[in-house]
Amino acid sequence: EAQVTQNPRYLITVTGKKLTVTCSQNMNHEYMSWYRQDPGLGLRQIYYSMNVEVTDKGDVPEGYKVSRKEKRNFPLILESPSPNQTSLYFCASSLDGSNQPQHFGDGTRLSIL
Amino acid sequence: SQQGEEDPQALSIQEGENATMNCSYKTSINNLQWYRQNSGRGLVHLILIRSNEREKHSGRLRVTLDTSKKSSSLLITASRAADTASYFCATDATQGKLIFGQGTELSVKP
Repeated sequence: EAQVTQNPRYLITVTGKKLTVTCSQNMNHEYMSWYRQDPGLGLRQIYYSMNVEVTDKGDVPEGYKVSRKEKRNFPLILESPSPNQTSLYFCASSLDGSNQPQHFGDGTRLSIL
Repeated sequence: SQQGEEDPQALSIQEGENATMNCSYKTSINNLQWYRQNSGRGLVHLILIRSNEREKHSGRLRVTLDTSKKSSSLLITASRAADTASYFCATDATQGKLIFGQGTELSVKP
């Protein structure tokens, strides 16, 4: 089944403790992207990747890192999480860019205390 | 920067009625997409309309695009309780960057 898988689905952690949210897709998609969703703000793009080893900043990249060493994986790294990064995070992928339908994961709800 | 803005923010209708949601954006776009999100779940792609298209249909969905007014509308005909969800437009002005609006929360009452 074609899907985008995010892990973990839920995480409660403390300020400053490094964490990684994994994202994996099995559709051989070139393009992957991360978003955060906050009430009243819709989805905001954090980072995106057009292909392996190519990543670019979205609208809200501060406090996040990403890597794209393999086509299927696009982990989101919070080196030193802070409470303002408490949010619902989504990973998405598409065939070859933002001009294609995006396939979304089920989301990761992060709470940083 | 927030490119797309949906209107209304919330909409409540009876089953069988039509639901219309609007999206406005600020800059020139390559395409505009509509997505649906059921409570806290991942977004599901509904329809993509390119900047040189004016109207597109998919089942009970009809999307229009007016690039001169920088606006789009999503019409759901003969709505069902299962259509209850949040609906988002997303615009692609720069390759790679996809900007979502804040969404319209649709409630369809049986």
